[in-house]
Amino acid sequence: EVVLTQSPATLSLSPGERATLSCRASQSVSSYLAWYQHKPGQAPRLLIYDASNRATGIPARFSGSGSGTDFTLTISSLEPEDFAIYYCQQRGNWPLTFGGGTKVEIK
Amino acid sequence: EVQLVESGGGLVRPGESLRLSCAASGFTFSNAWMSWVRQVPGKGLEWVGRIKSKTDGGTTDYAAPVKGRFTISRDDSKNTLLLQMNSLKSEDTAVYYCTTYNSGHFDNWGQGTLVTVSS
Repeated sequence: EVVLTQSPATLSLSPGERATLSCRASQSVSSYLAWYQHKPGQAPRLLIYDASNRATGIPARFSGSGSGTDFTLTISSLEPEDFAIYYCQQRGNWPLTFGGGTKVEIK
Repeated sequence: EVQLVESGGGLVRPGESLRLSCAASGFTFSNAWMSWVRQVPGKGLEWVGRIKSKTDGGTTDYAAPVKGRFTISRDDSKNTLLLQMNSLKSEDTAVYYCTTYNSGHFDNWGQGTLVTVSS
């Protein structure tokens, strides 16, 4: 199965700063990668699908890029509500797999 | 507004069974492919399985750790997704999320229900 490795494990930033999260796949998943935001006690939320497409209602400060094995989620200017855990997930190869997550915390 | 509400979680002993339900509203459930995703406490997310809509065959697929023990089904007359879990193991302890499944990603999620398998 495809292993997704997310880095860093934790990102400590201040509101207004730019966040850059990485997801690396153990083999090519083409552009079939999604990103989710998860806050404790809440339902996870789809942010980005197919590497760079924002899901419905997702603010423009969230953007995704990459293809093959290397992907990036960028939050251009962190808002207070953006501090959460972010997961990547691939659908390029069966079975579907998730990365281990990156926690974006307030510095 | 899409709503997915899971229920049925609880504490069970290893080897026992449990059935989870997910009540869906705000969309045409019968046309939707659905999935279950779980999260072991303190760990990441893990896909459990998927069911297609009946018009697309209604077939199911499962992750290797649960294949043969878990069964996903749907009752389109009640807009309900089901997860029958048999022969439960301690490693099945997790929060189980019901999701809509759209071309390999999960675009709507419920709040989850906690399943604890412990003696």
